[in-house]
Amino acid sequence: SAVISQKPSRDICQRGTSLTIQCQVDSQVTMMFWYRQQPGQSLTLIATANQGSEATYESGFVIDKFPISRPNLTFSTLTVSNMSPEDSSIYLCSVEFSDTQYFGPGTRLTVL
Amino acid sequence: KQEVTQIPAALSVPEGENLVLNCSFTDSAIYNLQWFRQDPGKGLTSLLLIQSSQREQTSGRLNASLDKSSGRSTLYIAASQPGDSATYLCAVRGAGSYQLTFGKGTKLSVIP
Repeated sequence: SAVISQKPSRDICQRGTSLTIQCQVDSQVTMMFWYRQQPGQSLTLIATANQGSEATYESGFVIDKFPISRPNLTFSTLTVSNMSPEDSSIYLCSVEFSDTQYFGPGTRLTVL
Repeated sequence: KQEVTQIPAALSVPEGENLVLNCSFTDSAIYNLQWFRQDPGKGLTSLLLIQSSQREQTSGRLNASLDKSSGRSTLYIAASQPGDSATYLCAVRGAGSYQLTFGKGTKLSVIP
């Protein structure tokens, strides 16, 4: 299994600003995943982050809006850029071990 | 495109009752299916993982079944307890992909 921590746990931000979310895993992993959960909706995959290469983004998500860093095998960041109220969501990172996906506690973002 | 549906959206039961949560998916070409619980303000906790070649998995009072050909999975909870109150999410991983497609979840309330 994996223990995943995220910072911050929650934040309230102003429109037009950016927020960087950190994800730390207690084991080395090849791939890390970033998901978004909008209010009342299911989780949606934003991108897959591999160490040493560019992140792979899903349809509807772009690097300029959600830049991702993956500097080593235990850490990743997701930035939500130029925020609008529509970005208010829970953002979660996850990793996979033995076919099971494990999730961090999430970052609850509110954009005013 | 894979779509995952969970019925019912919400369920309220008295303590001690057995219950079944339903999950259906449109594309039977799956790698595995995973059940999670989500508690308010917390991340997702993995409950059970069923590989595409398996029919069911059990963990304590939980039993998950998979009928890949009909695109259905059920999560059976025996002798429900107030601590089981949470939102239960079903997620499908497609064959040849690491992406999970989630349902919107079933919000379970177990009344003491």
